[in-house]
Amino acid sequence: AQSVTQLDSQVPVFEEAPVELRCNYSSSVSVYLFWYVQYPNQGLQLLLKYLSGSTLVKGINGFEAEFNKSQTSFHLRKPSVHISDTAEYFCAGPKAAGNKLTFGGGTRVLVKP
Amino acid sequence: GAVVSQHPSRVICKSGTSVKIECRSLDFQATTMFWYRQFPKQSLMLMATSNEGSKATYEQGVEKDKFLINHASLTLSTLTVTSAHPEDSSFYICSARDPKGTENQPQHFGDGTRLSIL
Repeated sequence: AQSVTQLDSQVPVFEEAPVELRCNYSSSVSVYLFWYVQYPNQGLQLLLKYLSGSTLVKGINGFEAEFNKSQTSFHLRKPSVHISDTAEYFCAGPKAAGNKLTFGGGTRVLVKP
Repeated sequence: GAVVSQHPSRVICKSGTSVKIECRSLDFQATTMFWYRQFPKQSLMLMATSNEGSKATYEQGVEKDKFLINHASLTLSTLTVTSAHPEDSSFYICSARDPKGTENQPQHFGDGTRLSIL
């Protein structure tokens, strides 16, 4: 079984500043990882996914993440945030063999003007 | 893209009421759907896996008689919270994965149901 850990529960950031959200995963034979965003009172929307291949993954809304096998990390970055990026962000990976997902604890991003 | 629809978006009801939440896959057939529970400012907790045409599989600690799951068709799964009490108040989210493709494809989530038991 795999576990996913998000190191920061909350990240305040000023508008137009860069942001990085940290995610670490436990080692597993088969690794695939996702970043989801959740706006208030809504479900989760997929930002990006790493399945295999290139370790730099680009997603929607200007976000990107880098899969780093040696550091077992999959950090999410955006070079310049907007007020509309204020949301909860979840890193997720396989829970065990099969289709189940395990989620990190979430990181709340608060973008300040 | 793939879409999962969840209904209702919000329910407020009295203690002792049973509440049914629907989860539909709109443009793909989902043999498997997932039900999560999310407490305020916390992450998603998987409650159960809904399997079309067979019994749901529940995660450890989740009462199957409390949270009834029915997956009668390839596009619809329902979660019924039976005899709901205030401690059942939470945000419930369903998800499904398009089976066309490999196992590691992402899940698609509904918009969630806010359940408030008075």
